[in-house]
Amino acid sequence: KNQVEQSPQSLIILEGKNCTLQCNYTVSPFSNLRWYKQDTGRGPVSLTIMTFSENTKSNGRYTATLDADTKQSSLHITASQLSDSASYICVVSDRGSTLGRLYFGRGTQLTVWP
Amino acid sequence: EADIYQTPRYLVIGTGKKITLECSQTMGHDKMYWYQQDPGMELHLIHYSYGVNSTEKGDLSSESTVSRIRTEHFPLTLESARPSHTSQYLCASSESRPVAGGTDTQYFGPGTRLTVL
Repeated sequence: KNQVEQSPQSLIILEGKNCTLQCNYTVSPFSNLRWYKQDTGRGPVSLTIMTFSENTKSNGRYTATLDADTKQSSLHITASQLSDSASYICVVSDRGSTLGRLYFGRGTQLTVWP
Repeated sequence: EADIYQTPRYLVIGTGKKITLECSQTMGHDKMYWYQQDPGMELHLIHYSYGVNSTEKGDLSSESTVSRIRTEHFPLTLESARPSHTSQYLCASSESRPVAGGTDTQYFGPGTRLTVL
């Protein structure tokens, strides 16, 4: 069964600190991996996308890494801000169909305190 | 921010009512999707469409129905709402031409929070 597992489930950090969120997946065949940010009561917004050949991708203070051999990804947030408080969702896509099926993790709920 | 809109944002209704959740996008995307999301849980695909007059059921069984008469519009209808339908419903759209590596990025609307009493 194709799955996407994220850890931790929730995380509280102080403003200005760094943090790293983890994503392990078993989706095969692998096409790409995305990290989405979902603010409370809003739809998810794409942060990064990485294909099989990419090891790292940055978007401002967000840096995602991918190890396709171990099927692991991480999202590192640098110098956190209050606005970073959100759910961060790991989404993996397979090559198995024209639709390019998406497999969603349950997300890591990040809270940044002042 | 993506040009995809959902109305209403919040809806509280009684059991047995018929409701339609609206979704529209102005990006000209052929593909559109409906997801259901419960708190702390992953998104589940309930319907999708490749284009006008194309609709398919997703992974999660749903008593809802959809239609795609116009490219920009993808409404979801519940004929008789029940408390088990209480959830967040997210609409998304994507381009037909995938980016390098396979799948195109999906752009999400703000969601409709549905509560059935």
